[in-house]
Amino acid sequence: NAGVMQNPRHLVRRRGQEARLRCSPMKGHSHVYWYRQLPEEGLKFMVYLQKENIIDESGMPKERFSAEFPKEGPSILRIQQVVRGDSAAYFCASSYSSGNEKLFFGSGTQLSVL
Amino acid sequence: SQQGEEDPQALSIQEGENATMNCSYKTSINNLQWYRQNSGRGLVHLILIRSNEREKHSGRLRVTLDTSKKSSSLLITASRAADTASYFCATVAYNAGNNRKLIWGLGTSLAVNP
Repeated sequence: NAGVMQNPRHLVRRRGQEARLRCSPMKGHSHVYWYRQLPEEGLKFMVYLQKENIIDESGMPKERFSAEFPKEGPSILRIQQVVRGDSAAYFCASSYSSGNEKLFFGSGTQLSVL
Repeated sequence: SQQGEEDPQALSIQEGENATMNCSYKTSINNLQWYRQNSGRGLVHLILIRSNEREKHSGRLRVTLDTSKKSSSLLITASRAADTASYFCATVAYNAGNNRKLIWGLGTSLAVNP
């Protein structure tokens, strides 16, 4: 029973390029959360999705960032026209039910923007 | 917005000693969770304590919850070098409805010296 899988583990992009981060939740989990973390800081909530629905995107910048969790396939966090300030670790977590239960985290994607 | 606050921000102890970390929060909660993060890795769930519980144990971990003071503590007994990590508390707001995202603290960085 694989855990939460994120890929790529490391992603390097030049300013202005697009970054696509993928997250496959644990088997049977239909709730996905994306977080961003800067060095020596805590987690910053970005977006909460259920299958085919965005439940809460209050932590996600209105421009350049989008997320989806299609009926089939992984959840995708997409950052268009990346800037240096987007460099961070992006973590995905999944849960079986809506938030009261513990979260299972992936190992994260480290995005570096040159 | 982040509402949890852990203290101390950083803690350095010798192997075999006990480590105590505290977490304070602002609103009424449904449950409080503690997570651990090793450097460069995702978070791992340690323990969940519900609002009607006062104390919970798991191996060398002991968590207390004082809802009147809106605070929780995590005690790690007989610490080991492998316990070196950052520890985060997260809360689920009481009656948060369908949107029950966890609210995270900034973490305590624990260093256990051999």
